[in-house]
Amino acid sequence: ILNVEQSPQSLHVQEGDSTNFTCSFPSSNFYALHWYRWETAKSPEALFVMTLNGDEKKKGRISATLNTKEGYSYLYIKGSQPEDSATYLCALISNFGNEKLTFGTGTRLTIIP
Amino acid sequence: SQTIHQWPATLVQPVGSPLSLECTVEGTSNPNLYWYRQAAGRGLQLLFYSVGIGQISSEVPQNLSASRPQDRQFILSSKKLLLSDSGFYLCAWSVNSGTDTQYFGPGTRLTVL
Repeated sequence: ILNVEQSPQSLHVQEGDSTNFTCSFPSSNFYALHWYRWETAKSPEALFVMTLNGDEKKKGRISATLNTKEGYSYLYIKGSQPEDSATYLCALISNFGNEKLTFGTGTRLTIIP
Repeated sequence: SQTIHQWPATLVQPVGSPLSLECTVEGTSNPNLYWYRQAAGRGLQLLFYSVGIGQISSEVPQNLSASRPQDRQFILSSKKLLLSDSGFYLCAWSVNSGTDTQYFGPGTRLTVL
């Protein structure tokens, strides 16, 4: 059983501030890491798929980094806006079986206007 | 473009009753298909995945089963629901495995009383 942990569990951030949160995973047998955003009453939406150590990906004000050697990924949001309020999920694929995503429990982000 | 449908959107069922949730994908051929569940206070848990018609892999021993009678149809079933089956069920598809994004359906909220 793969253990994917996300911290913090929840976060309140003032509008306009930047923030970041962490996804930790076993570094052995890493294959890929996915980040999703899940807004209330909607389906999870893919943000990034990361595969290489040192990867950095960006989508608008959101970016993510990956360290496969130490087993963590950071998600950054610059200049938070109310529409950023959502639960952010990371999910690991190991090379034990690369069809399967193992999700963390998510970081619930609330932006305070 | 590809779309994924799930129904019903919400369902309230008594303990011991049967269950059938349906998921269909349009606009793609031979997708990988997945069933996930989010129980209260927990992360997304992979229940079943399928790489082709009639091919089902089960991740968690339970009283649920899945079938894929057609290329783009994935069904989640139970003969007798338990209270612990309550949760939010999500269907997802991807083109391939590993580094491919998974696209999620709108979900079904199941309450077992």
